[in-house]
Amino acid sequence: AQSVTQPDIHITVSEGASLELRCNYSYGATPYLFWYVQSPGQGLQLLLKYFSGDTLVQGIKGFEAEFKRSQSSFNLRKPSVHWSDAAEYFCAVLNSGGYQKVTFGTGTKLQVIP
Amino acid sequence: ETGVTQSPTHLIKTRGQQVTLRCSSQSGHNTVSWYQQALGQGPQFIFQYYREEENGRGNFPPRFSGLQFPNYSSELNVNALELDDSALYLCASSPVGQGGTQYFGPGTRLLVL
Repeated sequence: AQSVTQPDIHITVSEGASLELRCNYSYGATPYLFWYVQSPGQGLQLLLKYFSGDTLVQGIKGFEAEFKRSQSSFNLRKPSVHWSDAAEYFCAVLNSGGYQKVTFGTGTKLQVIP
Repeated sequence: ETGVTQSPTHLIKTRGQQVTLRCSSQSGHNTVSWYQQALGQGPQFIFQYYREEENGRGNFPPRFSGLQFPNYSSELNVNALELDDSALYLCASSPVGQGGTQYFGPGTRLLVL
């Protein structure tokens, strides 16, 4: 069965600093991968997705992620963090079987300090 | 894409009661999935509906059931509520031909006392 690991539960960065959130997946075939963001009390917003092709994926809000098959990783990056980026970030993998089940990691909570 | 709506936003029930949560997806979204997100956890897949039929289910007991209607709106029903059912319930819909990309609603927060 597929699984997703986000090793960092909580990360604090200064506004303007760069950010990298780690994600490792376990999946037998070529994975379909996602990053979602969740603000407090809100639903999930899709930041970006990887299905195939270029391994560097651009998303909304200045985020990008790089798929590395050899490391089973799909890390999320942003060159300069804004205070409004404070939220919880979830990495997820899609089951490409008979139905579209998405398996989420446990999330990384991002705190941005001025 | 946005536009998935859920109702109600908040709900308080007592143990043993039954609850119905509702979701409306956008036109053209023919697949709807439901997830349970406990406090401090990632969302957990409950089940998925495609063309009004359940076509996938996670590790949830039968007291969790659902419906999808011809207009692609959906309901999640939970019978015999337990304290551990307290969570944020998220609905997600997928547009035709977008390979499983799911767009989430804002959720319904359920508290079971």
